[in-house]
Amino acid sequence: AQRVTQPEKLLSVFKGAPVELKCNYSYSGSPELFWYVQYSRQRLQLLLRHISRESIKGFTADLNKGETSFHLKKPFAQEEDSAMYYCALSSGGYNKLIFGAGTRLAVHP
Amino acid sequence: DAGVIQSPRHEVTEMGQEVTLRCKPISGHNSLFWYRQTMMRGLELLIYFNNNVPIDDSGMPEDRFSAKMPNASFSTLKIQPSEPRDSAVYFCASSSMGQGAREQYFGPGTRLTVT
Repeated sequence: AQRVTQPEKLLSVFKGAPVELKCNYSYSGSPELFWYVQYSRQRLQLLLRHISRESIKGFTADLNKGETSFHLKKPFAQEEDSAMYYCALSSGGYNKLIFGAGTRLAVHP
Repeated sequence: DAGVIQSPRHEVTEMGQEVTLRCKPISGHNSLFWYRQTMMRGLELLIYFNNNVPIDDSGMPEDRFSAKMPNASFSTLKIQPSEPRDSAVYFCASSSMGQGAREQYFGPGTRLTVT
């Protein structure tokens, strides 16, 4: 079964601390993974896609096929990073995405 | 492009009333998705279309929910009759089937409150 698991509902850190939002997936084919971010009362927007291997707003994510993980990391959290983060897996045709339950990141001053 | 457009942004209605949510996808995109977001259940895919044809509506919770896409630039999600448990934020997203383009672009959402 195709599934995305984000084990933490809430991650609370202080400004300047490292952040790691966990994402594990289950997929039989070659996965294509994304991180979406939703700031308070705003639309979801794409943060990262694994095929781009880029760093956006200081965030990076590496696909680990052995551990079936795609964790999102940032070395020094900022207050403006506080948001809801969703990990998503592209599933089959039509660009359908399977989303995880989301992790709320709260960065405290 | 203005991105995905949804209307209304907020809707408050009484139980039993019909509610129609509207979505205009990004021009040129040929896949359209409707999602529901709640605190309890997170982000749920309700239905998606490709080239205006419904592909999978298995996420539609009940027969009270229906969706249409009469043309490439417009889709509706209708709830009739509405119930308080339908209160949620409903998102529309669109995507292009072009090579390597798997990203979905989301609209601002419609916040529905059924009293």
